[in-house]
Amino acid sequence: GAVVSQHPSWVICKSGTSVKIECRSLDFQATTMFWYRQFPKQSLMLMATSNEGSKATYEQGVEKDKFLINHASLTLSTLTVTSAHPEDSSFYICSARSPAGGPYEQYFGPGTRLTVT
Amino acid sequence: GENVEQHPSTLSVQEGDSAVIKCTYSDSASNYFPWYKQELGKRPQLIIDIRSNVGEKKDQRIAVTLNKTAKHFSLHITETQPEDSAVYFCAASRGGAQKLVFGQGTRLTINP
Repeated sequence: GAVVSQHPSWVICKSGTSVKIECRSLDFQATTMFWYRQFPKQSLMLMATSNEGSKATYEQGVEKDKFLINHASLTLSTLTVTSAHPEDSSFYICSARSPAGGPYEQYFGPGTRLTVT
Repeated sequence: GENVEQHPSTLSVQEGDSAVIKCTYSDSASNYFPWYKQELGKRPQLIIDIRSNVGEKKDQRIAVTLNKTAKHFSLHITETQPEDSAVYFCAASRGGAQKLVFGQGTRLTINP
């Protein structure tokens, strides 16, 4: 139980285009999902907290107009990188809380590697 | 906000020896401290966690200790094996829907 998937697993896009990444909780409902970005050999940095039916809460320094987050259902959150640039190339990982896992544990998706050329 | 510091950044030990990774946190309201193992290109995997009402927790070769007064917690891996080689991250959270704040990571290498 408590499986989180992401799609796509990797994507290459051209500079200036937009790309959408999906995060799904497969066997549970997630009222809260989190989006992280991880550059090579670095830690996971939280970008935003996504709450179902409301606006996402962005971390300081993350451009909310560039990284659009939508959490329209209890099993799906999407991250859209708009007007992508090479510096946006990174590993994007989502996580979700499962009620079955108690109030603490987060379950991570497999990640999406974005390369902007 | 919360700040988590993790040391060392790299650690190399001989197979069979023990490895210790240490983290400190700044937010006294944090009450959940998980440890993750991440292999290259993969998702972080929870290996052990501890809550603030417990001082120590053990799961086979892995143990975590927590000192709330000093605001630090440590991961102990005994009888290390080559498959323990990976990057390990500590994290802290206030629990509930609160976010996880990660340490910088430790690249652990087990030498045969």
